[in-house]
Amino acid sequence: QSALTQPASVSGSPGQSITISCTGTTSSVGTYNLVSWYQQHPGKAPKLLIYEGSKRPSGISARFSGSKSGYTASLTISGLQADDEATYFCYSSAGGNTYVFGTGTKVTVL
Amino acid sequence: QLELQESGPGLLRPSETLSLTCSVSGDSVGSNYFWDWIRQAPGQAPEWIGKVYYIGRTYYNPSLQSRVTMSVDMSKNQFSLTLRSVTAADTAVYFCASTRCNAGYCSPPEHWGPGTLVTVSS
Repeated sequence: QSALTQPASVSGSPGQSITISCTGTTSSVGTYNLVSWYQQHPGKAPKLLIYEGSKRPSGISARFSGSKSGYTASLTISGLQADDEATYFCYSSAGGNTYVFGTGTKVTVL
Repeated sequence: QLELQESGPGLLRPSETLSLTCSVSGDSVGSNYFWDWIRQAPGQAPEWIGKVYYIGRTYYNPSLQSRVTMSVDMSKNQFSLTLRSVTAADTAVYFCASTRCNAGYCSPPEHWGPGTLVTVSS
């Protein structure tokens, strides 16, 4: 399956903005921006933050935003808060009605 | 509000068959959802296992396809996962989730169960 590569860790201070990248090789990432983003706290199920590249489900803070450049999708967290400390995964189609998660990025709030 | 809950054995021996069930409340498994199974080994990223539609249409991860079967039981409002010939590498938290698909595009899983830990050990 196609892989989605993320940095292992990103950190920031409260109030700052951070950006997490997700690099893939399929058209779902490069052409159609059908990348989603999840937040996962330890022991919990992943929570959907962003879908179709930049759309937020109901109830998700506007501090979370998604974008794309070429074959790299990005998640930006603005106004970093203590509760944002979690692991973030991107997700997209791998082609042929199959799906793949990114390698995951652990966010630390300093 | 759609709610999902996984159930099944927590411990298996190598070579046994894993059977998990996901109970759905808040809507019918015959509604316009695909039902997904996703697993996450300790300290690893989630791994998509596959999805099933109530009429029996299935899509599986190619790496697991030879060992996986998914089905829907409308009478019980449940769907299930069967994974044959398990090994220690199948030790993970298993999640069920819902997605919507239309015209060749499936939304990402939005509603998830809390997950159930399955350990494979002799």
